[in-house]
Amino acid sequence: DQQVKQNSPSLSVQEGRISILNCDYTNSMFDYFLWYKKYPAEGPTFLISISSIKDKNEDGRFTVFLNKSAKHLSLHIVPSQPGDSAVYFCAASSFGTGGFKTIFGAGTRLFVKA
Amino acid sequence: GAGVSQTPSNKVTEKGKYVELRCDPISGHTALYWYRQSLGQGPEFLIYFQGTGAADDSGLPNDRFFAVRPEGSVSTLKIQRTERGDSAVYLCASSLATGGIGNEQFFGPGTRLTVL
Repeated sequence: DQQVKQNSPSLSVQEGRISILNCDYTNSMFDYFLWYKKYPAEGPTFLISISSIKDKNEDGRFTVFLNKSAKHLSLHIVPSQPGDSAVYFCAASSFGTGGFKTIFGAGTRLFVKA
Repeated sequence: GAGVSQTPSNKVTEKGKYVELRCDPISGHTALYWYRQSLGQGPEFLIYFQGTGAADDSGLPNDRFFAVRPEGSVSTLKIQRTERGDSAVYLCASSLATGGIGNEQFFGPGTRLTVL
């Protein structure tokens, strides 16, 4: 049962254009969402997050949008740069009585062409 | 400052053997997480520690897997009677807080386990 889904395994974008990475979730108890970026042979690195009380969070070239009614979030990167080429993971969590478990999607590989 | 470190970086073992994977979290981080990542998949939650105690071990696949964090810092993931299906990258992460803002997890580079 995949609670966090990234349906596009890969995305190719021209340098300078916008990259839009999508993520869907099924568990309405999730209240905190994160995006991580991963380069080969390295662990994921935190990029940006959003709590369920917001619908948008922006940090430089990166913006995350949350649509709770649709259980959908997206990451926008603009303008895209070749150094943004990596695998991007969407993650979701909820603060329950048992702890703080984070569920990751399968990832989307972004290629930014120069 | 130093990030999360994991040792060894690579481990090759034979089916049926016992392995231990070590994680050194960022100093001062009270929460520590273990994940397993197979090819083409995202990190799969295994266990989460808050201090010395396992707050959630619901992701451990079976009783061959066990993890400890005796002093609330370094953690060891232990796998008994390894099977070929255990082959994966094992990731460790740590964070300052355990909920909402501040729960951003900092990951180590992982240990690649290969069971022959």
